[in-house]
Amino acid sequence: DIVMTQSPDSLAVSLGERATINCKSSQSVLYRSDNRNYLAWYQQKPGQPPKLLIYWASTRESGVPDRFSGSGSGTDFTLTISSLQAEDVAVYYCHQYYSTPDTFGQGTKLDIK
Amino acid sequence: QLQLQESGPGLVKPSETLSLTCTVSGGSISSTSYYWGWIRQPPGKGLEWIGTIYYSGNTYYNPSLKSPVTISVDTSKNQFSLKLSSLTAADTAVYYCARRYGDSSGSGYQYYFDYWGQGTLVTVSS
Repeated sequence: DIVMTQSPDSLAVSLGERATINCKSSQSVLYRSDNRNYLAWYQQKPGQPPKLLIYWASTRESGVPDRFSGSGSGTDFTLTISSLQAEDVAVYYCHQYYSTPDTFGQGTKLDIK
Repeated sequence: QLQLQESGPGLVKPSETLSLTCTVSGGSISSTSYYWGWIRQPPGKGLEWIGTIYYSGNTYYNPSLKSPVTISVDTSKNQFSLKLSSLTAADTAVYYCARRYGDSSGSGYQYYFDYWGQGTLVTVSS
């Protein structure tokens, strides 16, 4: 199984500041035949299901604010929130769908400083 | 707007079988571009993919699961279902059903989860 490791486990950022969450996979999730990274990011607020933010590592889902962006390739990926808003407090998960079984990162809890 | 709703018992005894159903509304479960899956989340922990089904009945399971799993689809009711047997306390979790974007040729290539149900808490306890 591909192991997804997120860092940090938790972080606190001031309102309006940048938040950066990292995700590292134990093997590459870049599929060479289509040059796409098989990686997604989700946001989960307490008592709610996960919400898709980013897929193919950097494509923003429709309706997701443009302060959310994804980057990276191969084994190292980053989710960036350019200017933290109060409603962004949540747990964030990365997800690889390159190979079966799908696996998720352990989650990063984001709070306001 | 697509909606998914899980239904089933909230409490199941150890060694018994869990049966959950996901009802899809606002869209057809027979769409060729989507797969339908189950994911679970133990209290306070992360996400675990259980398995996925295509409208044709093709199934894909997580081989790492310890409990036997069966996923089925009923296109006439726009529903798909999960059966998890030989339950233990480790199967206590919130169970989510979700739609999964995938290859429309039915090749089995599956991608990200774009719509999720609200989840249902299942507790395994005597």
